Amino acid sequence: GQQVMQIPQYQHVQEGEDFTTYCNSSTTLSNIQWYKQRPGGHPVFLIQLVKSGEVKKQKRLTFQFGEAKKNSSLHITATQTTDVGTYFCAAELSSGSARQLTFGSGTQLTVLP
Amino acid sequence: NAGVTQTPKFRVLKTGQSMTLLCAQDMNHEYMYWYRQDPGMGLRLIHYSVGEGTTAKGEVPDGYNVSRLKKQNFLLGLESAAPSQTSVYFCATRLAGANVLTFGAGSRLTVL
Repeated sequence: GQQVMQIPQYQHVQEGEDFTTYCNSSTTLSNIQWYKQRPGGHPVFLIQLVKSGEVKKQKRLTFQFGEAKKNSSLHITATQTTDVGTYFCAAELSSGSARQLTFGSGTQLTVLP
Repeated sequence: NAGVTQTPKFRVLKTGQSMTLLCAQDMNHEYMYWYRQDPGMGLRLIHYSVGEGTTAKGEVPDGYNVSRLKKQNFLLGLESAAPSQTSVYFCATRLAGANVLTFGAGSRLTVL
């Protein structure tokens, strides 16, 4: 079925290094969302991208939506230990699907002090 | 406001037992969802509801049933638990016309 592919599955970085996670879809997306889940916690909404080529920033986090609206990325500059967690992208894949969101498999980020 | 509350937070079952997870929300959101989360597989949709009295199947509905008799509550039932249903279950809600999901804290279920 339709999927949202997310890579990498795991990423270990030294504190201060940058981090990027990528999401790809074979179909055009109407929008894409990003969520963060801290260890032992629940997913928390970070941001939504809607427009082709859109770039949004939240402090050290930069979110991009591809020109073809089939891919997206989340980049963290100069990671901190507070960035530890799993980052998920999520997208609506089918029209008329009662607003179902399909989640990527997530990227688990470990930041080594 | 409590937001989205899931009960219980933890439960251990034996194979074949039944149980119900409750999701309660005080945000007056129309849509409610049950997801399960397993290592390396992200969040997979089990069932969802677009309003009181309505339910629909998601990606992995087998072995589960749901009910939404009241707008604020969405129940997930396991009639005969299996070890494959060991997982963390998340309830989420969504306001009609909006895209953002609000999640509960999760319910960790172990089936022995």
